Amino acid sequence: GQNIDQPTEMTATEGAIVQINCTYQTSGFNGLFWYQQHAGEAPTFLSYNVLDGLEEKGRFSSFLSRSKGYSYLLLKELQMKDSASYLCAVSAYAGNNRKLIWGLGTSLAVNP
Amino acid sequence: DGGITQSPKYLFRKEGQNVTLSCEQNLNHDAMYWYRQDPGQGLRLIYYSQIVNDFQKGDIAEGYSVSREKKESFPLTVTSAQKNPTAFYLCASSISPGQENIQYFGAGTRLSVL
Repeated sequence: GQNIDQPTEMTATEGAIVQINCTYQTSGFNGLFWYQQHAGEAPTFLSYNVLDGLEEKGRFSSFLSRSKGYSYLLLKELQMKDSASYLCAVSAYAGNNRKLIWGLGTSLAVNP
Repeated sequence: DGGITQSPKYLFRKEGQNVTLSCEQNLNHDAMYWYRQDPGQGLRLIYYSQIVNDFQKGDIAEGYSVSREKKESFPLTVTSAQKNPTAFYLCASSISPGQENIQYFGAGTRLSVL
């Protein structure tokens, strides 16, 4: 079956670095997305990885290892506004169709 | 400013009533999607449309209906057959149907049952 695992909750301190992991078991992998979602709001796109390695975008970086079915989102210099849920989603095959499979999200609390 | 507009932000449904959630985009995107989000669950796909006048069922289409008469618009009707409609509904669009394309989301509609 198709499965995505993320930690449910994480806590970190303002100014610190936090790594949010995502592991997946899917068929026909075609890329992995990270989205940020503040409470009661829409998810917003953060990053997309299709090849192995690290993609850096300002304070946020995302890493992918296809052989291990593993990704992480790295947030540096944490700010209070980074308190949100972080969703991992994988583009994979379900039957004959390609679809996005969503993880349950990791709720990150940044404390002063 | 390009984007996706969902309305209303909050909606209340009475027993046996059909309600329609609006989703409009001015991004000139071909593909549009409807998701449902419940506490403790991931996003679940209700319906999607790859092109005008065409749409496909997602994972939880029962009790819902859609139309795609215009490229910009993809309204979702929650029918009385949907027995547990209380949820946060999100509309999204992408440039083309390929799942490698980024999906952009509207602000959502929170539906509650009276």
